[in-house]
Amino acid sequence: AQSVAQPEDQVNVAEGNPLTVKCTYSVSGNPYLFWYVQYPNRGLQFLLKYITGDNLVKGSYGFEAEFNKSQTSFHLKKPSALVSDSALYFCAVRDMEDTDKLIFGTGTRLQVFP
Amino acid sequence: DTGVSQDPRHKITKRGQNVTFRCDPISEHNRLYWYRQTLGQGPEFLTYFQNEAQLEKSRLLSDRFSAERPKGSFSTLEIQRTEQGDSAMYLCASSTWTGVAGANVLTFGAGSRLTVL
Repeated sequence: AQSVAQPEDQVNVAEGNPLTVKCTYSVSGNPYLFWYVQYPNRGLQFLLKYITGDNLVKGSYGFEAEFNKSQTSFHLKKPSALVSDSALYFCAVRDMEDTDKLIFGTGTRLQVFP
Repeated sequence: DTGVSQDPRHKITKRGQNVTFRCDPISEHNRLYWYRQTLGQGPEFLTYFQNEAQLEKSRLLSDRFSAERPKGSFSTLEIQRTEQGDSAMYLCASSTWTGVAGANVLTFGAGSRLTVL
């Protein structure tokens, strides 16, 4: 079965420092991978996706993610964290081919300290 | 474009009662999705529609759950005979079908939180 794992429940980083939120996946076939962010009392917002092509994907708000097939990872990164980046981040993968269903990870809470 | 709207935002009900949630998607989006999120977990897929057709339904969706999108615009999710285990945030999302399954970007609403006492 397809799945994603987010090994860290929480990531703490100082403002201005680089941040990484980890995601690994397990799929059969070509992975379609996504990152979404959830702010309190707001819906999940799309950050970026990998479907095919360049392994480095650039997304919204200065975030990027690197698709690594050999390590089955899709880590989210940002060179310089902002306090306003503090939120809950979800990695997701397409369930299987020919379906529009996403499987989400359990989420990682990012806390950026001033 | 006012985004995806969900109503009510919070519903408290007693076990055994029926509840209905409404979702108004972005008007030009032809796909609509329902997910459920419990505390400390990521969203879990429930069902999705293309226009008025329900294309897929999760095994999580017991017979007590039913979803409709009668005219291909808004959707309703009804839970009959609610149980305490139904307490969760019910998320609605919409997208434009791109022709590639699983590649669509979902726009989520803020969710409807259900508390079953």
